[in-house]
Amino acid sequence: SQQGEEDPQALSIQEGENATMNCSYKTSINNLQWYRQNSGRGLVHLILIRSNEREKHSGRLRVTLDTSKKSSSLLITASRAADTASYFCATDGWDNFNKFYFGSGTKLNVKP
Amino acid sequence: ETGVTQSPTHLIKTRGQQVTLRCSSQSGHNTVSWYQQALGQGPQFIFQYYREEENGRGNFPPRFSGLQFPNYSSELNVNALELDDSALYLCASSNTGATEAFFGQGTRLTVV
Repeated sequence: SQQGEEDPQALSIQEGENATMNCSYKTSINNLQWYRQNSGRGLVHLILIRSNEREKHSGRLRVTLDTSKKSSSLLITASRAADTASYFCATDGWDNFNKFYFGSGTKLNVKP
Repeated sequence: ETGVTQSPTHLIKTRGQQVTLRCSSQSGHNTVSWYQQALGQGPQFIFQYYREEENGRGNFPPRFSGLQFPNYSSELNVNALELDDSALYLCASSNTGATEAFFGQGTRLTVV
């Protein structure tokens, strides 16, 4: 299975701190994306990183990708209470383009 | 807002019944994918429709079927409902060659 796995499963931090979540996957990928989900509702796309990229930034988000280790990390800087959500990584491959495999997610709780 | 709408929002069905869930894709998108998300888990890929044809399927039995219409909206049908079918069903729309998929808010199905 190509499914990604996030680590840790749960993370609790104070507002203003940084939050780091990790994702590992099993097979070669085309793209890796991070999504946020609030209260079991729809997924909100956060950031995409392609297999030939190593790092991307978007606002307070920083994503890294290490294809040799088949892993990615998502860093949220200066976290806010509104960042409280579940975060998922999703991968697709060259033979299953745009068909995503998700991990089980990291549940982030940012305390005010 | 992603422009992807799903209906209904919530649904309660009895074991053995059949259910149809609907998804309107974002304007200009020709590909719709369906995912099942059990409580506390990441979404799992069910199948994808591209230009009204099934374009890939995950590890789901044939009682899960779908349709895509000429306007690219889609339906997910589940026959002979089982208790384990209780989940959040998400649809995602995307366009040919695009790497990003936009998700709807989901339909929460409860089978009793």
